[in-house]
Amino acid sequence: DAGITQSPRHKVTETGTPVTLRCHQTENHRYMYWYRQDPGHGLRLIHYSYGVKDTDKGEVSDGYSVSRSKTEDFLLTLESATSSQTSVYFCAISESQRGPYEQYFGPGTRLTVT
Amino acid sequence: AQSVTQLDSQVPVFEEAPVELRCNYSSSVSVYLFWYVQYPNQGLQLLLKYLSGSTLVKGINGFEAEFNKSQTSFHLRKPSVHISDTAEYFCAVKSSGGYQKVTFGTGTKLQVIP
Repeated sequence: DAGITQSPRHKVTETGTPVTLRCHQTENHRYMYWYRQDPGHGLRLIHYSYGVKDTDKGEVSDGYSVSRSKTEDFLLTLESATSSQTSVYFCAISESQRGPYEQYFGPGTRLTVT
Repeated sequence: AQSVTQLDSQVPVFEEAPVELRCNYSSSVSVYLFWYVQYPNQGLQLLLKYLSGSTLVKGINGFEAEFNKSQTSFHLRKPSVHISDTAEYFCAVKSSGGYQKVTFGTGTKLQVIP
């Protein structure tokens, strides 16, 4: 298994509070991704990173920000959590975005916003 | 732009029966195609991928998929399913050339009935 951990694994928070999710990899892969998984929508890309301090938006980036200060860590922040952000969040890594490189996924974080 | 469609959200099948999970894609360029599996409360893991060459691709756990360019399909098959195959299956597409992101389908839940 690829060395990807996510923390916390479960979190319940109140509307309006900031929340930070952490993804840590031991594979030294350049690319890291944050997805959310919701019933009927599959996986939707929130943000991704192509190197330290290099990030870009995905298709559902509103209300989220990311940071990558080290190769191994990619943080996802919900600036002011809303109930619509209740979801399961997955981190993924990839060696490259050029070519047929597959993504490796972490175990997920289940976030509930009340 | 690329897209992927999984028409069946749920597929029930009896143990030891064959199964086919359907995936159709759209892209204006050549593509790489992937099938991922997600077991309950886990992240996604790669089942198989099509890059080029032979249209029949064999993956882990006895699964295989056939790439059909004329029908823009990449259906997943298994001749005899086991209870342990109960999971959600995601088809994904990535356009070749350049730095392209992966697009995931909405998933098909395979329920194997004893």
